[in-house]
Amino acid sequence: EDQVTQSPEALRLQEGESSSLNCSYTVSGLRGLFWYRQDPGKGPEFLFTLYSAGEEKEKERLKATLTKKESFLHITAPKPEDSATYLCAVPRGGGSEKLVFGKGTKLTVNP
Amino acid sequence: EAQVTQNPRYLITVTGKKLTVTCSQNMNHEYMSWYRQDPGLGLRQIYYSMNVEVTDKGDVPEGYKVSRKEKRNFPLILESPSPNQTSLYFCASSPLMASGWSDTGELFFGEGSRLTVL
Repeated sequence: EDQVTQSPEALRLQEGESSSLNCSYTVSGLRGLFWYRQDPGKGPEFLFTLYSAGEEKEKERLKATLTKKESFLHITAPKPEDSATYLCAVPRGGGSEKLVFGKGTKLTVNP
Repeated sequence: EAQVTQNPRYLITVTGKKLTVTCSQNMNHEYMSWYRQDPGLGLRQIYYSMNVEVTDKGDVPEGYKVSRKEKRNFPLILESPSPNQTSLYFCASSPLMASGWSDTGELFFGEGSRLTVL
């Protein structure tokens, strides 16, 4: 069964304290892995798409990386405005157009 | 402004009273989808549509109906709502092409519709 597992469920950091979020997946024939950011009460906002192992994408303090089994979202010197829930998602295997999301990591950055 | 618009944003209703949550996008996207988000369960796909008159079930379609008569609109219909359908609902659209997710993975989400069924 296709699965997307994110860890940790919640993470508290001090401003400037770098860390990483994990997204592990089990899906046959990966056709992309997507990262989203969700603020409370709002719809998720697209961050990155990664397509192949070894690929990296960066945006401000965020860098996403991909291996054959997992993806990491590295947050360098976070600021309080980086506080949000970060979601990853993958298309289901077998050519399906369904998109399955992980349950997310809630990040809190304290000033 | 490119956007996905959902209505209503908040709704409290009673068991069995049919309701429709509308979704409209102004980006000429082919792909549209509905998700529900529940604490501890994350985002789960209800239905999706690859194009006009083409819809398919997601992971949790029971109790819901959809239609795609126009490219821009994708309403979610609850024929007989029940309390277990109390949730936060999101509509999303994507410029997903016929070749699939390989071309793009970006979903544009609406602001959400919080539904309470008593």
